[in-house]
Amino acid sequence: DQQVKQNSPSLSVQEGRISILNCDYTNSMFDYFLWYKKYPAEGPTFLISISSIKDKNEDGRFTVFLNKSAKHLSLHIVPSQPGDSAVYFCAASGSDGGSQGNLIFGKGTKLSVKP
Amino acid sequence: NAGVMQNPRHLVRRRGQEARLRCSPMKGHSHVYWYRQLPEEGLKFMVYLQKENIIDESGMPKERFSAEFPKEGPSILRIQQVVRGDSAAYFCASSPRAPGSTEAFFGQGTRLTVV
Repeated sequence: DQQVKQNSPSLSVQEGRISILNCDYTNSMFDYFLWYKKYPAEGPTFLISISSIKDKNEDGRFTVFLNKSAKHLSLHIVPSQPGDSAVYFCAASGSDGGSQGNLIFGKGTKLSVKP
Repeated sequence: NAGVMQNPRHLVRRRGQEARLRCSPMKGHSHVYWYRQLPEEGLKFMVYLQKENIIDESGMPKERFSAEFPKEGPSILRIQQVVRGDSAAYFCASSPRAPGSTEAFFGQGTRLTVV
């Protein structure tokens, strides 16, 4: 049973346009959400996070939106650049420890930004 | 401040041998996580350890797999009597605090190939 779902395995976007990556979760105990970026043969790199007390967090070209009622979050990249081409993983965790204390990852979305 | 260090980067083992994967967390980090990534799959949680304690091993296979994080030295993920299905990339991550309020930083991974 997947607790964190990224339903789009891939996304292709033109350079300069907006990239929108989506993520859904099922566990209502999750209250901290993160996005990671991964290049082939490298470890995931942290991008941006959001706590459940917020609905938006922005860092440069990256913005994460959280809709708690829909159990949905999204990552917006504006403007998209060819160097953004990578696999993007959504992750979630809870602050109550135990099994909810771990980072649970989605399967990833492969973003291709075309020049 | 060095990042999370994993070694070896690549490991080849014959079926039935043992594989030992090492992870040195970032300085000041006492929380360590192990993940496995199979080809075309996301990151699957295996185990979460805090110095000398296993906090959550719900993602670990019941047999042949074990993990430790001793008071001194790196965290070790040990796979006994490896089989072809164990071939994967194994990633270690560390964080300064428990999950739920902080990001985890990943190492470059160990790619295990069982022949």
